[in-house]
Amino acid sequence: GESVGLHLPTLSVQEGDNSIINCAYSNSASDYFIWYKQESGKGPQFIIDIRSNMDKRQGQRVTVLLNKTVKHLSLQIAATQPGDSAVYFCAENSILTGGGNKLTFGTGTQLKVEL
Amino acid sequence: DTAVSQTPKYLVTQMGNDKSIKCEQNLGHDTMYWYKQDSKKFLKIMFSYNNKELIINETVPNRFSPKSPDKAHLNLHINSLELGDSAVYFCASSQYRVPKPNTIYFGEGSWLTVV
Repeated sequence: GESVGLHLPTLSVQEGDNSIINCAYSNSASDYFIWYKQESGKGPQFIIDIRSNMDKRQGQRVTVLLNKTVKHLSLQIAATQPGDSAVYFCAENSILTGGGNKLTFGTGTQLKVEL
Repeated sequence: DTAVSQTPKYLVTQMGNDKSIKCEQNLGHDTMYWYKQDSKKFLKIMFSYNNKELIINETVPNRFSPKSPDKAHLNLHINSLELGDSAVYFCASSQYRVPKPNTIYFGEGSWLTVV
């Protein structure tokens, strides 16, 4: 079946360092890949997405890289801050024939920022 | 104003009881979803409704019944609650037939504990 998985369950980084969170996926037919951030006690929040025909996309302090050859996705956070501490999910988006989107989530990586 | 709101935020109930979780969105979206997050933080879609019509129904026990009185509301009713139903349930919404996944907005979650 389809699956989206993460390599590391927990990542600890020093404040100010760069963070790299990795994700492997298996459905090569996916159109979009998305990174979500979930803070404690809250719902997932969109960070950045990338279309399958791209290999890199940058946002504010975040960069997503897509390697379709090895079905690998990564999220890079520059100058990690304490407010970046959260669980990060990669997700694969599918467009349904009946309308709407279906997100298939990975297992999540806990990012801990040490002062 | 909260875009996607769910009530209650916390719910503790005994096995065998019937309970409901309500969800409302004020974003004018046509599609609403219910996701379940287990103790390992794995997020999985349960249901999706577009304009009050069911478009996604994953392998969910019949004890779970979504109800959409209008496109701004999607409630989740659970009969005969079991210990394994303990989880965080997230409501979400998005625009119909819009491929951009960043239109999916999540609520804050409803923590259900079955004792």
